[in-house]
Amino acid sequence: QVQLVESGGGVVQPGRSLRLSCAASGLTFNSYAMHWVRQAPGKGLEWVAVISDDGSNKYYADSVKGRFTISRDNSKNTLFVQMNSLRPDDTAMYYCAKSLAAAGTSWGQGTLVTVSS
Amino acid sequence: QLVLTQSPSASASLGASVKLTCTLSSGHSSHAIAWHQQQPEKGPRYLMKINSDGSHNKGDGVPDRFSGSSSGAERYLTISSLQSEDEADYYCQTWGTGILYVFGSGTKVTVL
Repeated sequence: QVQLVESGGGVVQPGRSLRLSCAASGLTFNSYAMHWVRQAPGKGLEWVAVISDDGSNKYYADSVKGRFTISRDNSKNTLFVQMNSLRPDDTAMYYCAKSLAAAGTSWGQGTLVTVSS
Repeated sequence: QLVLTQSPSASASLGASVKLTCTLSSGHSSHAIAWHQQQPEKGPRYLMKINSDGSHNKGDGVPDRFSGSSSGAERYLTISSLQSEDEADYYCQTWGTGILYVFGSGTKVTVL
């Protein structure tokens, strides 16, 4: 059974940085592209970034391009996102997800990021 | 531009059926989509992927009362024998070049 567990959320001031992690188990982690998806309070789902199975390809939503960096450590079955220059509109629940472009997507339970002074 | 359009809300009585629609933007009618369910205060859950020919791949443990279909640029999720736990937000999602990954705005299902 696939399990994805996000961590690293919290309250951070505008302009500061935060790094989120997603620990994966129950899957061959290095076989799957992995994503970050976020959901602002009371809003819908917004795709943030994707990284290929070997980490060689990374793509971002325009809203985070140049500020967020997605990465992975396949030896530790862990996905990351480094979030810099955070803004109040980055406030959201952040979910990691496996395989948004194939059958059998798996989701984590999310970690909350609040950007506020 | 790849856009998914969903109605904001739908409702039906306990035990009845409800059919949700996700419409692909012009020029993208051959795209597959996925449906995800989000119950209140929970993370999303994958329900199924629906191809343009209507074939679909359900997630593990998804009840048989959830089914998918397709017609032209429209992709459907039908929930039969509605249960109280089916009250949730339902998002369709697709992928493509350029904009990469797209979610619809979601449909809130209310069980009366």
